[in-house]
Amino acid sequence: DIQMTQSPSSLSASVGDRVTITCRASQGINIYLNWYQQNPGKAPKLLINSASTLQGGVPSRFSGRGSGTDFTLTISGLQPEDFAIYYCQQSYSTPRTFGQGTKVDMK
Amino acid sequence: QLQLQESGPGLVKPSEPLSLTCIVSGGSITTSSHSWDWIRQPPGKGLEWVASISYSGDTYKNPSLQSRVTISADTSKNHLSLRLSSVTAADTATYYCARLKQQMVFGPPLNWFDTWGQGIQVTVSS
Repeated sequence: DIQMTQSPSSLSASVGDRVTITCRASQGINIYLNWYQQNPGKAPKLLINSASTLQGGVPSRFSGRGSGTDFTLTISGLQPEDFAIYYCQQSYSTPRTFGQGTKVDMK
Repeated sequence: QLQLQESGPGLVKPSEPLSLTCIVSGGSITTSSHSWDWIRQPPGKGLEWVASISYSGDTYKNPSLQSRVTISADTSKNHLSLRLSSVTAADTATYYCARLKQQMVFGPPLNWFDTWGQGIQVTVSS
């Protein structure tokens, strides 16, 4: 199985901050990497697919980069609605695996 | 607009089977370039992929659950089913069904979960 490791596990930030979350795969996965946002009690929501393609309707302050084993999700100008948990997920092979999540909360 | 709705029991006794249904509306489960997956999330924990069924009926399961999982699709009713046998407390989770969208490229298709159901909370307890 491909292991996905996110860092940090949690972070505290303020509205307007630039936030970066890192995701590392245990083996090369090209650009087969997706990012999701999950709010409490809700289903995950797709933000970015294929490492850097922004899903329709997702604000442009979200961006993704990377290929191979190292990926980042950046939120440029954190908004109140962005305080949530973020997950990366590899789609290179089954079993499809997720990172453990990064909780972004208010400083 | 595509919508997925999970249904099933909220409480299951240990050692009994768990059966869930995902009703798909606003789209057909036989549309090519899509698969249909189950993903679960134990309380306060992360996401675990459970199983997948393609538009053509091919199935894939998480090896950690393979011996206990059955995934199927009823094309006449446009719904999916998940059966998990011999449940234990470790199977307590919110279960989501999700559509896996695929994009053909030179190599394995790019794919991502673009639509999710709201989830159903299942507790295993006597």
